[in-house]
Amino acid sequence: GEDVEQSLFLSVREGDSSVINCTYTDSSSTYLYWYKQEPGAGLQLLTYIFSNMDMKQDQRLTVLLNKKDKHLSLRIADTQTGDSAIYFCAETHDYKLSFGAGTTVTVRA
Amino acid sequence: GAVVSQHPSRVICKSGTSVKIECRSLDFQATTMFWYRQFPKQSLMLMATSNEGSKATYEQGVEKDKFLINHASLTLSTLTVTSAHPEDSSFYICSARDRVWDRGDETQYFGPGTRLLVL
Repeated sequence: GEDVEQSLFLSVREGDSSVINCTYTDSSSTYLYWYKQEPGAGLQLLTYIFSNMDMKQDQRLTVLLNKKDKHLSLRIADTQTGDSAIYFCAETHDYKLSFGAGTTVTVRA
Repeated sequence: GAVVSQHPSRVICKSGTSVKIECRSLDFQATTMFWYRQFPKQSLMLMATSNEGSKATYEQGVEKDKFLINHASLTLSTLTVTSAHPEDSSFYICSARDRVWDRGDETQYFGPGTRLLVL
């Protein structure tokens, strides 16, 4: 959606870190999410962060939130071929999700 | 935990027929489910919010008589595409919110999607 913006493509070498960026407009968003979609499949919840947090780490995933700039990022450490997918950033307001257009991550050997 | 299923995964139908898609929360209760539509290489577009025991709330521009939603129980919502036409061909995805409010989050768990092709 136009309220959430992401870059469309990211190419990364296997073993490197991936960083996917997202900006949003609704300052009252309570939660921000990262979802992963593999070809022909539904969305898999990767992680989420509450709006009063700056950072959340979960194994290889690190989420950074800059609420002042309304900027959210997802870092994937040690990127693997299985990480190739489309990653959607989403914000929630009044229990509805607004999605970005998705970032296609391609992992090359 | 938090598994959502959809049935069927794929369906091909003739123009003018109706198609029903089921969305089930398998290991939790969901008072609210959501129906999305996704076109190729695009993001998800929210079609409607399905509330258990009450009428669905449709987003602007979505025809409620065309896309009938029934949320008959805390684990099942259905979307019926009536008098389907080729332009209704799309990937339909449902999601569900866990009824356990003391989780304190608004997380939606998504089904695997249903690909509809109308000939």
